[in-house]
Amino acid sequence: EVHLVESGGGLVKPGGSLRLSCAASGLTVGQAYINWVRQAPGKGLEWVGRIESKADGGFTDYGAPVKGRFTISREDSKNTVYLEMNSLRTEDTAIYYCSSGYWNYDWGQGTLVTVSS
Amino acid sequence: DIQLTQSPSFLSASVGDTVTITCRASQGIRNYLVWFQQKPGKAPKLLIYSASTLQSGVPSRFSGSGSGTEFTLAISSLQPEDFATYYCHQLNTYPFTFGGGTTVEIK
Repeated sequence: EVHLVESGGGLVKPGGSLRLSCAASGLTVGQAYINWVRQAPGKGLEWVGRIESKADGGFTDYGAPVKGRFTISREDSKNTVYLEMNSLRTEDTAIYYCSSGYWNYDWGQGTLVTVSS
Repeated sequence: DIQLTQSPSFLSASVGDTVTITCRASQGIRNYLVWFQQKPGKAPKLLIYSASTLQSGVPSRFSGSGSGTEFTLAISSLQPEDFATYYCHQLNTYPFTFGGGTTVEIK
């Protein structure tokens, strides 16, 4: 059974940085597609980005609102995927979820990021 | 970017009803579409992938259809636990995108 746990959320000032973690069990992150999706308070789902499996090249891509500011990476030894977020804006305030698989089969519980002065 | 337009954005239905939600893509996405269900305070749950394949463990009253630019999620014999928000999501072309969501509420 796949289990994903996000952590690292919290309160950060505009312009600041934060790194979210997605710790996985039941799968090997290097062999998996891992996605990040966010949801602002009271709003719909928004795609943040994805890292493809190593076998498929490990390609990453991002949604337009975060491209150039957010970076997805993985640490195989910890079986963890990271979302590095820089130059944070108030509009980045959201619950951030990671999910696994090409089709987003399994999801974590999410971690809340609040960007506010 | 590919736009996904869901309709309706809100619908009111009764237990036992059959409801249909439509998702239209601004350009062709083959069958690279999924449907999620989300309940308040919970993570999304995958219902349908590849436009029409039922995810393991999802009741057969859920079904998906479509290809190209028009897709449908149907829920037959609506159950109390089906009242939730539903989202379509395209994975054909980066950047991936979501529909705006359809909230199904109890009439």
